[in-house]
Amino acid sequence: EAGVTQFPSHSVIEKGQTVTLRCDPISGHDNLYWYRRVMGKEIKFLLHFVKESKQDESGMPNNRFLAERTGGTYSTLKVQPAELEDSGVYFCASSQDLDMYGYTFGSGTRLTVV
Amino acid sequence: DAKTTQPTSMDCAEGRAANLPCNHSTISGNEYVYWYRQIHSQGPQYIIHGLKNNETNEMASLIITEDRKSSTLILPHATLRDTAVYYCIVRVRGGSQGNLIFGKGTKLSVKP
Repeated sequence: EAGVTQFPSHSVIEKGQTVTLRCDPISGHDNLYWYRRVMGKEIKFLLHFVKESKQDESGMPNNRFLAERTGGTYSTLKVQPAELEDSGVYFCASSQDLDMYGYTFGSGTRLTVV
Repeated sequence: DAKTTQPTSMDCAEGRAANLPCNHSTISGNEYVYWYRQIHSQGPQYIIHGLKNNETNEMASLIITEDRKSSTLILPHATLRDTAVYYCIVRVRGGSQGNLIFGKGTKLSVKP
């Protein structure tokens, strides 16, 4: 089966611009997560979708971040306007059964805000 | 904050078993122990998880102590490609709470 796919793999934008990251989970996985790692820090949870509903968005840093998962398939994470501290690697993961299986992570999107 | 404690780094000779310890002394009865690894800048990769029994799969074995306060991940025959940061994570079983709390992990270096 195809894994979790993230687009783009790299993005360089200027401060104040908008960037949209996309994640295509494994087909049939109801659970979709966004995580990020900023430079020198640990990987941090951002939010969790179950199908199209936001189950937990406690990790979203502020209202410049907007995540959507229309139709319960792919998800987008938009940063508007981007700030320098948003630079980092954004990972998406999906899972079908949280107790039976681990998550499958994508390769990440490396975002650089200059 | 992460509920686990791991050594910062470990070395292992190629072909030998790598034994990575993890302390989770405050683990609850309904929490799983998960192991993930991150090779260079790739996305984290699931390895194995368990509740209280020892587990084995094609990648590794997980040994959980009887009191569940610590565990050991065993890579039976480490290769150079196993060089990575290994994360031990506890997560509540069941329900909708699914997020993982990553700590600093153990940087495993497999040497020829």
